[in-house]
Amino acid sequence: SAVISQKPSRDICQRGTSLTIQCQVDSQVTMMFWYRQQPGQSLTLIATANQGSEATYESGFVIDKFPISRPNLTFSTLTVSNMSPEDSSIYLCSVVGGRSEQFFGPGTRLTVL
Amino acid sequence: RKEVEQDPGPFNVPEGATVAFNCTYSNSASQSFFWYRQDCRKEPKLLMSVYSSGNEDGRFTAQLNRASQYISLLIRDSKLSDSATYLCVVRDYGQNFVFGPGTRLSVLP
Repeated sequence: SAVISQKPSRDICQRGTSLTIQCQVDSQVTMMFWYRQQPGQSLTLIATANQGSEATYESGFVIDKFPISRPNLTFSTLTVSNMSPEDSSIYLCSVVGGRSEQFFGPGTRLTVL
Repeated sequence: RKEVEQDPGPFNVPEGATVAFNCTYSNSASQSFFWYRQDCRKEPKLLMSVYSSGNEDGRFTAQLNRASQYISLLIRDSKLSDSATYLCVVRDYGQNFVFGPGTRLSVLP
């Protein structure tokens, strides 16, 4: 299994500001995803972070709002831009193991005031 | 219709009970299936993959019926520590994972 860390673990931000979340994996992985989990809801995929190319976004998510970087096979960042209270959520990164199983980071709990 | 649907729950069962969760998926081309467990305020963790022949891991048994597009999870001899939300997850040929809404289980003393 992979060990994944995320920073920050939580933050409280003002409306209109941006927050960058970091995801670090202890081994090189090909597939890395970013998810959002709103209170009481299941996980929704935001995008697939591709190493060396632009991220692939799901319907309803755009690069201007959620820019993603993937400079190498162990690290990625997700930025939540121009935040509003509706962006309050838990943001999780995940990687895929050799047998298609996913491992998740501990999540970043974001509150936007 | 949602891509992955689960029993709405919550399930409240006494210790020692047997409980079964059901999950259906809409994409007949789905290729991989999983059950994840998520504790309150924690990230999801893989409980078990689901294979066509069915598979068992201790007190947990998973079944897959491709013809009916149906997945199940059976928990025998429930423990207090089994209390969590159980997520059914399906992976399609596009390599994306689709999560069900989850079923919450509370095992009561």
